[in-house]
Amino acid sequence: AIQLTQSPSSLSASVGDRVTITCRASHDISTTLVWYQQKSGKAPKFLIYDASSLESGVPSRFSGSGSGTDFTLTITSLQPEDFATYFCQHFYDYPLTFGGGTKVQIK
Amino acid sequence: EVQLSESGGGLVQPGGSLRLSCAASGFAISSYAMSWVRQAPGKGLEWVSAIGGSGPGTYYADSVRGRFTISRDTSNNTLYLHMNSLRAEDTAVYYCAKRVSVLRSGFDSWGQGTLVTVSS
Repeated sequence: AIQLTQSPSSLSASVGDRVTITCRASHDISTTLVWYQQKSGKAPKFLIYDASSLESGVPSRFSGSGSGTDFTLTITSLQPEDFATYFCQHFYDYPLTFGGGTKVQIK
Repeated sequence: EVQLSESGGGLVQPGGSLRLSCAASGFAISSYAMSWVRQAPGKGLEWVSAIGGSGPGTYYADSVRGRFTISRDTSNNTLYLHMNSLRAEDTAVYYCAKRVSVLRSGFDSWGQGTLVTVSS
């Protein structure tokens, strides 16, 4: 099974900061990577598909990049509503594993 | 509007069984791949099982293979997860999720989740 390793597991940032989260796959998964945002007690929200395409309705301050084994999620100018946990997931083959998550906290 | 609503969670003893349901509206589950994803208290997301959109294929995480069965009833547009031989480590909120499409990756719609607690 393909494993996804996210880093860091948590970070502290201020409103207006630029934040970068990485996701590394154990095998080449091309661009079959997606990102979600999850707030406490809520279902995940779909942010990015195909590694770098923004889902409809998602603010443009979110962006994704990468292919193969190394991927990043970037939030430019962090907003108060962006404090949440972020997960990557691959769709290369089954099982569809998730990364361990990155909690973005207020500094 | 696409909506997913899970039900069937609750408290069950180790070794017991439970059936979760996910009622879908706004789309036909027969046309989309559907999955179950769980989240243990305070932990990350774990993909559990999937059923193909147009085909009969079913897929499982190693942690549940042989104990859980995914199925769907297209007549009432409902997805199911039959869970047997439950263990304490199966305790989690279980979400059903809809894949965007056959050609596009990602789960674009999720239910609110249903809590399963396995404890004596």
